[in-house]
Amino acid sequence: DTAVSQTPKYLVTQMGNDKSIKCEQNLGHDTMYWYKQDSKKFLKIMFSYNNKELIINETVPNRFSPKSPDKAHLNLHINSLELGDSAVYFCASSRPVDGFNSPLHFGNGTRLTVT
Amino acid sequence: GQNIDQPTEMTATEGAIVQINCTYQTSGFNGLFWYQQHAGEAPTFLSYNVLDGLEEKGRFSSFLSRSKGYSYLLLKELQMKDSASYLCAVLDSNYQLIWGAGTKLIIKP
Repeated sequence: DTAVSQTPKYLVTQMGNDKSIKCEQNLGHDTMYWYKQDSKKFLKIMFSYNNKELIINETVPNRFSPKSPDKAHLNLHINSLELGDSAVYFCASSRPVDGFNSPLHFGNGTRLTVT
Repeated sequence: GQNIDQPTEMTATEGAIVQINCTYQTSGFNGLFWYQQHAGEAPTFLSYNVLDGLEEKGRFSSFLSRSKGYSYLLLKELQMKDSASYLCAVLDSNYQLIWGAGTKLIIKP
């Protein structure tokens, strides 16, 4: 299936731990994103990569570090997890060369719970 | 600041019609998207408007008025599976997506 896939789907961990979320897309898209959706359901952009290069880096703590080994992968590493990091994290991709109205394709999300 | 407003929650009856409104104040405008998000799932693309007017796509239609900073999503012949959150998002002058908090639509039999 062509899709955006992210793992794991659920992640429960303790404060202070370090964790990673992986994302892969086989849609041939050039741009990938990480979004955070909090309990109030706002989607907030965290990072965006275009062809492995960082193009959007919103004001997020530097405990969050994205890594894009190639344009089909964008992973998110989080150091020293805090309670406030609990949220659903969505990976997404798009193909801006088709125009900026190219819609986002989202992964199924990773529900992170920090205890 | 940039702002997108949508009602938090709406309730409608199966088979009926519902209109979900979205108003926006953004720095520039390069289009407006509607996404559907079922509980516990990813948002999925529904529609895109950049010019004024109505875009129809099956049971769903989306309307835009740029002068009023206003859009609506119209859902006809409602089905139980339409119960979901509907997210409005605007592409600003920097081609960044600004998201609303979404409208939770509850469909009753």
